[in-house]
Amino acid sequence: TQLLEQSPQFLSIQEGENLTVYCNSSSVFSSLQWYRQEPGEGPVLLVTVVTGGEVKKLKRLTFQFGDARKDSSLHITAAQPGDTGLYLCAGLPSGAGSYQLTFGKGTKLSVIP
Amino acid sequence: EAGVAQSPRYKIIEKRQSVAFWCNPISGHATLYWYQQILGQGPKLLIQFQNNGVVDDSQLPKDRFSAERLKGVDSTLKIQPAKLEDSAVYLCASSLALAGVEQFFGPGTRLTVL
Repeated sequence: TQLLEQSPQFLSIQEGENLTVYCNSSSVFSSLQWYRQEPGEGPVLLVTVVTGGEVKKLKRLTFQFGDARKDSSLHITAAQPGDTGLYLCAGLPSGAGSYQLTFGKGTKLSVIP
Repeated sequence: EAGVAQSPRYKIIEKRQSVAFWCNPISGHATLYWYQQILGQGPKLLIQFQNNGVVDDSQLPKDRFSAERLKGVDSTLKIQPAKLEDSAVYLCASSLALAGVEQFFGPGTRLTVL
């Protein structure tokens, strides 16, 4: 079983602050996805990273895939209340016949106005 | 484009009762997934279909859970009999391809087993 550890588990910050959340594993993934889930809804894909060392930016969100493709980070600049939600990372294990996404437990972010 | 539809949105049952959930994926999506999300955890894959065939059901508790996708479109997930630990949100997702692509999730069914 490929495990993804996310940290911190909970994060409460003031509007305008910066934050970084982490997704770590001892296993190698062929790709890694970040989702955001709001209460009462299903997760929504934010980004997919596939290359070791890759950095992707989505407005105020910056995603990085580790060089060894075992870890990833999500950095939010100048957080806004609309960023509140559960941030989930999900990895697709490397290797032939690997179709199952493994999800971390998530980081629950609250941005206080 | 319509999203993934699920029903019911909420269900409360007593332990040992049966329950069924329904999912209609996005039109044209060949791959359908059922996930279980227990409070405070990430989604755990229960079963994955490619058209009407099962790709992976290794984490499905087959003594009480069953799922089908007979015509390769919509799907049902059944629990019989339910246990207290089955209380969770059951998420259905669909995607165009088998792996490495975006999964589109439905809103989920919140099941409470008393």
